[in-house]
Amino acid sequence: EAQVTQNPRYLITVTGKKLTVTCSQNMNHEYMSWYRQDPGLGLRQIYYSMNVEVTDKGDVPEGYKVSRKEKRNFPLILESPSPNQTSLYFCASSPRPSGVGTGELFFGEGSRLTVL
Amino acid sequence: AQSVTQLGSHVSVSEGALVLLRCNYSSSVPPYLFWYVQYPNQGLQLLLKYTSAATLVKGINGFEAEFKKSETSFHLTKPSAHMSDAAEYFCAVPPWGSYQLTFGKGTKLSVIP
Repeated sequence: EAQVTQNPRYLITVTGKKLTVTCSQNMNHEYMSWYRQDPGLGLRQIYYSMNVEVTDKGDVPEGYKVSRKEKRNFPLILESPSPNQTSLYFCASSPRPSGVGTGELFFGEGSRLTVL
Repeated sequence: AQSVTQLGSHVSVSEGALVLLRCNYSSSVPPYLFWYVQYPNQGLQLLLKYTSAATLVKGINGFEAEFKKSETSFHLTKPSAHMSDAAEYFCAVPPWGSYQLTFGKGTKLSVIP
């Protein structure tokens, strides 16, 4: 089954404890992206990647890191989490960067992160 | 920069009633406009998209949206609400020259039995 898989789905952690949210897609998509969803703010893009070893900042990249060493994986790293990073995170992928603008964007089920 | 505005963060309708969720886009006519739906504890999925080929767009689950240039609107409608329609709905637009989507703030639809 074609899908975008995120882990963990739920996580409670403490300030400053490094964590990684993994994202993997099995559709051989070139483009991958991370969004965060907050009440009243909709979804905002954190980082995106147009292909292996090519990443760029979105609208809210502060406090996050990403890497794209393999086509299928795009982990989101919080080096020193803070309470303002408590949010619902979504990974998404598209066959190609232009697919984002034509409706070919596929989302994972989300990872709910709480930072105490 | 292209943006979308959704009016009403929460809409409640009775089962069987008309659903109307509002979305207005800014400035110039975008090449694409989207409605995404997020069911509880799930990711977003594409409900329908406007591509300039037709102003009335039909999507999944009986939803449709009409693009109105004169009103800069792309409102989502469904003639008769079903309990399973309870979800959050997002309007989105791809900004020019950008590899991302700009989402509205979302409208949570509740369906009352």
